[in-house]
Amino acid sequence: EIVLTQSPGTLSLSPGERATLSCRPSQSVSSNYLAWYQQKPGQAPRLLIYGASSRATGIPDRFSGSGSGTDFTLTISRLEPEDFAVYYCQQYGNSPLYTFGQGTKLEIK
Amino acid sequence: QVQLQESGPGLVKPSQTLSLNCRVSGDSISGSGHYWTWIRQHPGKGLEWIGHIYYSGRTSYNPSLESRLTISVDMSKNQFSLKLSSMTAADTAVYYCATDRHYYDGSGYYYYFDYWGQGTLVTVSS
Repeated sequence: EIVLTQSPGTLSLSPGERATLSCRPSQSVSSNYLAWYQQKPGQAPRLLIYGASSRATGIPDRFSGSGSGTDFTLTISRLEPEDFAVYYCQQYGNSPLYTFGQGTKLEIK
Repeated sequence: QVQLQESGPGLVKPSQTLSLNCRVSGDSISGSGHYWTWIRQHPGKGLEWIGHIYYSGRTSYNPSLESRLTISVDMSKNQFSLKLSSMTAADTAVYYCATDRHYYDGSGYYYYFDYWGQGTLVTVSS
């Protein structure tokens, strides 16, 4: 099983600041197979990024993804109030087919 | 716009079997070409992939649940279903259904979940 380790567990920032979230797979993952989601309280996750760097439909360009192999990053260039949420990375691979990271909570400082 | 709606009991007794349905609108289960997946989230925790199905009936399950799990599809109702047997308190979670996109752009495949239901909380308690 590929384990995804996200860091930090909690990130405290102010609106307007830049957020950098990390996702590190326990073994190399193809960039095509790495996605990011945002989840707000009481809501289902929302797809932000697929293929490590492609924004999903309707996602603002302040969200960007990068990385390869065992080191992936989600960057939010300038935080808006609605961006404070929990973020998960997800990979497609071996058994089980899909795994998620444990999440990074982005909170208002 | 694809919409998914979970339905099923909110409360299940220990040892019973959970049955959930996911009704799909705005897309055809048989014509879309992608898979249909179940994901759960334990209270205050992260996300766990349960399993998925293709309209042909081909399935793949999380090995941790495989012995208790059945996912099926009903094309006449444009819905897919989950059955999880021998429920325990550890199965208490919000259960989501989602589209399981296997997108090919000409050079490679991408795998992600792009449409989600709103989720349904299932509590296991006597």
